[in-house]
Amino acid sequence: DAKTTQPNSMESNEEEPVHLPCNHSTISGTDYIHWYRQLPSQGPEYVIHGLTSNVNNRMASLAIAEDRKSSTLILHRATLRDAAVYYCILRGGISNFGNEKLTFGTGTRLTIIP
Amino acid sequence: DGGITQSPKYLFRKEGQNVTLSCEQNLNHDAMYWYRQDPGQGLRLIYYSQIVNDFQKGDIAEGYSVSREKKESFPLTVTSAQKNPTAFYLCASSIERITYNEQFFGPGTRLTVL
Repeated sequence: DAKTTQPNSMESNEEEPVHLPCNHSTISGTDYIHWYRQLPSQGPEYVIHGLTSNVNNRMASLAIAEDRKSSTLILHRATLRDAAVYYCILRGGISNFGNEKLTFGTGTRLTIIP
Repeated sequence: DGGITQSPKYLFRKEGQNVTLSCEQNLNHDAMYWYRQDPGQGLRLIYYSQIVNDFQKGDIAEGYSVSREKKESFPLTVTSAQKNPTAFYLCASSIERITYNEQFFGPGTRLTVL
């Protein structure tokens, strides 16, 4: 699996935007970029995913570099409920038997300061 | 409401005993997964199943067993052969074998071996 690199931790003030970076220099042409987040003692929650173009949904935006070697998850206005560990994951777009797993790294622990 | 349920939330086991963790989904998803999470770490795949009566080993299957007799259910048995079973266990499901589809996670079971 192609690897991703994220900072171990980040802090942000409440009601300010947050930019969470992810490097994936070995990404292949068919890899999708997924983001999940995990609140304490809960299962991970899907946030967003993209392939080449920037993506927006109700939770966040995903900005993907033109060369696709990095991406940034953007929380437009952080709240205390956004405090979680955020995981950036690459997944192949075509399903091969045995290729369906999510490979989680250690993610970025986001702390929101009131 | 549709979703994934795991039971129990907390489970204590004596060394040498087998224990079965429950995972049920009413999302009509074909694929189901079991992950293990250790403190401060990401998730690691134990087993996954793409269809009823079929399942495959993940990265850390030793000491675990599963069954998939019904589409809705994917129980995990932690056997006495698992050398370090104390961990947070997460079950997930996804709609089909397309890897850019999101995975939905249950709330998890925290297993402690006494």
